[in-house]
Amino acid sequence: QVHLVQSGTEVKKPGASVQISCKASGDIFTKYGIHWVRQAPGRRPEWIGWINADNGDTQYCPSLQGRLTITRDTSASTAYMDLSSLRYEDTAVYFCARELFASGIFDYGGQGTLVTVSS
Amino acid sequence: QTVVTQEPSLTVSPGGTVTLTCAFSTGAVTNIHWANWFQQKPGQVPMPLIHTTNNRHSWTPARFSGSLLGGKAALTLSNVQPEDEAEYYCLLHDPPLWVFGGGTKLTVL
Repeated sequence: QVHLVQSGTEVKKPGASVQISCKASGDIFTKYGIHWVRQAPGRRPEWIGWINADNGDTQYCPSLQGRLTITRDTSASTAYMDLSSLRYEDTAVYFCARELFASGIFDYGGQGTLVTVSS
Repeated sequence: QTVVTQEPSLTVSPGGTVTLTCAFSTGAVTNIHWANWFQQKPGQVPMPLIHTTNNRHSWTPARFSGSLLGGKAALTLSNVQPEDEAEYYCLLHDPPLWVFGGGTKLTVL
C-alpha cells in the first residue's frame, strides 16, 4: 500500500527557514516525481515545485525561486522541501504529491504539514 | 504569468448533471496539458479524481468523467449525490510548471 508521510507542524519566525520531509513507501521511489503544493487558509492550492526522484532534477515556481530548495534521499525514499527567509504569507499547509514520472498522473499525496509564520 | 480559471460556484440538484470547466489564460487546453481534477472537502486533503484529461483513478466513482470541451478541460458529474458537495480544483501542466485553477465550489441543493 502506498503511503506518503510528512513531518509535523512547524511554527517559525519571519526570516527563519523550515524543512519538511515526505517519506514514501509501498512502491519504487525513483519511478516518480515528487511535487510540493501549498494551500493558504481559504485559498486555492499553489504548485510550488517538483523533483525527479531518480536523477534529482528540480523545477520551482518563479515566485519562490531563490528561497525554495527541494532535495531527495533515495536511500531513505524521502523528499525534502526547504523554504528560507520565511514571510507571514508563507503560512500554509504544505503537501507532497506523487506523479508517475513524466506522465501527468498524480495519485497519492501526503497528509499535509501546517507551517505557521508568526512573530 | 499563466492563469487558470474555473467557475467560482455552481449549484446542482441531487440526481442532476453538472459540468465544471477549467480554462488557460494563454489559449486552449489540450491533451498535452495533462489536466488533473481534485475534490476537496473542508478540512481534508485534496483527493485526485481524474488524471490526464479523462482518466479516472481506481477509487473514482464512474459518475465523474473528464473531457475537453470548447478549448477547456471539463469535469462532468452525473447523477450527483449529496456527498459530492465540495470544492473542485483543476491542475494543468504548463511546461515546465503546473498551475492550479481557482476552484469551483459545488453546492448540491
